[in-house]
Amino acid sequence: DADVTQTPRNRITKTGKRIMLECSQTKGHDRMYWYRQDPGLGLRLIYYSFDVKDINKGEISDGYSVSRQAQAKFSLSLESAIPNQTALYFCATSDSLPASGGADTQYFGPGTRLTVL
Amino acid sequence: AQSVSQHNHHVILSEAASLELGCNYSYGGTVNLFWYVQYPGQHLQLLLKYFSGDPLVKGIKGFEAEFIKSKFSFNLRKPSVQWSDTAEYFCAVNGNSGTYKYIFGTGTRLKVLA
Repeated sequence: DADVTQTPRNRITKTGKRIMLECSQTKGHDRMYWYRQDPGLGLRLIYYSFDVKDINKGEISDGYSVSRQAQAKFSLSLESAIPNQTALYFCATSDSLPASGGADTQYFGPGTRLTVL
Repeated sequence: AQSVSQHNHHVILSEAASLELGCNYSYGGTVNLFWYVQYPGQHLQLLLKYFSGDPLVKGIKGFEAEFIKSKFSFNLRKPSVQWSDTAEYFCAVNGNSGTYKYIFGTGTRLKVLA
């Protein structure tokens, strides 16, 4: 019973295609994030959302867009995929706990491995 | 610029050896610090975190980390590693005011030989 799920888990596509990666969570968290992981580069933040009406760019948002359809759903789109977007994509959620001073624990999904040919 | 540096990219140890993984950060203001671990085939999960109080924090599976503010460091330690500690370890930082965006390090791959 995974708390954070991602679909698809693997996807191979061609340059120029539009791709949507979906993330759902059952943790009831307001905050959701999209990251990409590349070998040797760690995780880099693409977009984040602190509630349904709040969307913010991360450090590498160019070429990506997101949609927060509901508290539980946060989708990442590649409007026109290119080969250097080949990566492992992670969705994460976190709660906002005032007592922790922003040190929210992030809960990650299993990842989507995307290959753009 | 905000950044996190993990100087050891690959570490190979024998079981029972001691472990120390380095993490240094550059981030304005007061910070929160984290170590996440990704075991083979599993999700990233929190190992431990620091946000206030005792700078020596203890996490799951016998790991601990020490926040040294003067050195901008948050090194991860374990006195005796096990084969099951084979994983990739990520250090991360965010600020405790403002946007709370996370910055992750590039990760350290640890292999423990049985």
